[in-house]
Order: sequence, then structure tokens, then C-alpha cells
Amino acid sequence: EVQLVESGGGLVQPGGSLRLSCAASGFNFRSYEMNWVRQAPGKGLEWVSYISSSGSTIYYADSVKGRFTISRDNAKNSLYLQMNSLRAEDTAVYYCARGGYCSGGSCHYLTPFDPWGQGTLVTVSS
Amino acid sequence: EIVMTQSPATLSVSPGERATLSCRASQSVSSNLAWYQQKPGQAPRLLIYGASTRATGIPARFSGSGSGTEFTLTISSLQSEDFAVYYCQQYINWPPYTFGQGTKLEIK
Repeated sequence: EVQLVESGGGLVQPGGSLRLSCAASGFNFRSYEMNWVRQAPGKGLEWVSYISSSGSTIYYADSVKGRFTISRDNAKNSLYLQMNSLRAEDTAVYYCARGGYCSGGSCHYLTPFDPWGQGTLVTVSS
Repeated sequence: EIVMTQSPATLSVSPGERATLSCRASQSVSSNLAWYQQKPGQAPRLLIYGASTRATGIPARFSGSGSGTEFTLTISSLQSEDFAVYYCQQYINWPPYTFGQGTKLEIK
């Protein structure tokens, strides 16, 4: 079964840091692009960050650029999000989501997010 | 950045009836459009990709149509488990990936 499990959320003060993890299982993690998406309480979905299968290409939403760092460890089938200088507006459930993939020498970049993890709640408050 | 706009924000429909949800893109996304279903306290679940292809395990009562800038998600005969929030997403022009603001489908 393909599964993504996030961890590392919690309560942190403004200006603080937190590191989220996403453990992947049931698929060839090193072949897939990965993303972080967040959802503020009662709000919609906001894409946060992308990392290619090798980790060589990374993108961020403008709202987190310079404060968040995405990374992955393909040997450990894990995805990470280091969040620094946290603000109240970063309060949200953070989901990891699988994106495109490369197989047999060809890559598929135009793909939806599937599956998603169950999410981990990050609360930034004093 | 492509802006995705969903309508209506809330849709009230009786069980057994048909529901039609709309999604508009600010520029063409061809058929690179996905629909997700999200129930309270749960992660989003992929329903439709490529504008009209059902994801694995999705019942046939869910159908998607459209291309370019106008898209529709239709649920032919609403079941109790279908009342949820639905999001559209474009995945052709990124970063950033962009989602619509969601349509809440509620029981009438």
C-alpha cells in the first residue's frame, strides 16, 4: 500500500523553528517528485514547496521563500521541511503529497498530487 | 501564476440528485486539471485527473469534463458520503501549483 506519514508538527512561538518529516512506503520513493501543501484552519489548499526526485530542483511559494527549506533522503524514503522564522500565518495542517515520476528513462511532470499524507498540524502562537 | 476560481462556494443538494461544480482557470491549462475531495479532518483525495479520468477506486458517479479554461465536476446521484469540500488544481504551469478556493457540497 502506498502511504505517506507526516510527523513533527506542534506548537511553536513566532520566530521559532520546526522540522517536519514525511515517511514514504509502498512505492519507489527515489523515482518520485514530492511536494508540501498546507491548509490554514478553515481555509483552502496552498502549495508550499516542490523537490525533484534527485533533490536537484527545488521550488518554493513566495510566502515561504527564504524561511523554509525542503529536502529529501532517498536512502531513508523520507521528505523533510525545515521551517524557520515562523509566523502566525504559517499556522496550518501541512501535507506531503506525491507528484510526478521518472521511469525507464522518461519523466512525467504533468501529474496531479496522489496520494497525500494525513497531515501534521503546525501552530505558531505565543 | 494561473488563478483557479471555483463556483459556487457552497452548493446545497439533496441525496440522490445531481451536483454540478465549476472551475475556471485564468488561462488555458489544456486538460491538466485535477479534482480532489476533502472530508472534515481528512487529507484531500484525488478524484479526477486529466480533466476527465477517474482516479483508481473512484465510483463512476463522479465525472469530469472540460478543457482549456472551463471545467466541470458532476456527481450524478449524490450519496451521503459525497458531501464534502471539492477542490480543483492545475498542474501544467508551475511553480506555483494552484488550487481553487473550494466548493462545499452540503446536504439540502
